Amino acid sequence: EAGVTQFPSHSVIEKGQTVTLRCDPISGHDNLYWYRRVMGKEIKFLLHFVKESKQDESGMPNNRFLAERTGGTYSTLKVQPAELEDSGVYFCASSHGGSQQLLYTDTQYFGPGTRLTVL
Amino acid sequence: AQSVSQHNHHVILSEAASLELGCNYSYGGTVNLFWYVQYPGQHLQLLLKYFSGDPLVKGIKGFEAEFIKSKFSFNLRKPSVQWSDTAEYFCAVTPYGGSQGNLIFGKGTKLSVKP
Repeated sequence: EAGVTQFPSHSVIEKGQTVTLRCDPISGHDNLYWYRRVMGKEIKFLLHFVKESKQDESGMPNNRFLAERTGGTYSTLKVQPAELEDSGVYFCASSHGGSQQLLYTDTQYFGPGTRLTVL
Repeated sequence: AQSVSQHNHHVILSEAASLELGCNYSYGGTVNLFWYVQYPGQHLQLLLKYFSGDPLVKGIKGFEAEFIKSKFSFNLRKPSVQWSDTAEYFCAVTPYGGSQGNLIFGKGTKLSVKP
């Protein structure tokens, strides 16, 4: 079974540019999460999709971040325009889903992350 | 706001030493607890998790953790570490209610095991 994949693995852009990160979850997983780790800090939740619907986007830093999951498969996270403080590692995770109970107990499988550097 | 504290930023041990990594969380209700590990160059992967039952949980690679509700703690232990345990370890919780399974992470503890 293929794991969660993310593309690109690294991205270096200049302040003001746009970057789009992609995540392919494990096939059949309804739940897809985005997290971010800024250097020296904890991994923080950004948002959660259930299939194609945004379930919770309370962690999105501001409206420069836009996430989509068209068709309930892969997801993209676009940052436009990028700022210096957006630098960090962006992780995607997926879990199978099903019941409300499983949301809390299901294992989330993580991708390798995308390291974003904004200069 | 809910938070997770990991007491040690960097732990250095020799092989065969015993390991205990501290984790405390701030949330008064029911939580599920996780330890994830990231080996150098690899994905975050689950070591073990607790959501009910026996508070002593056994995970992969000889790791275990004990949930002590009265102390809001979920410390990770291993009796004898190996060089291959060198990695970064993350404690995380999902509080029931108010979230949809989103993991709340601690800052991580880097473990370096000297051969």
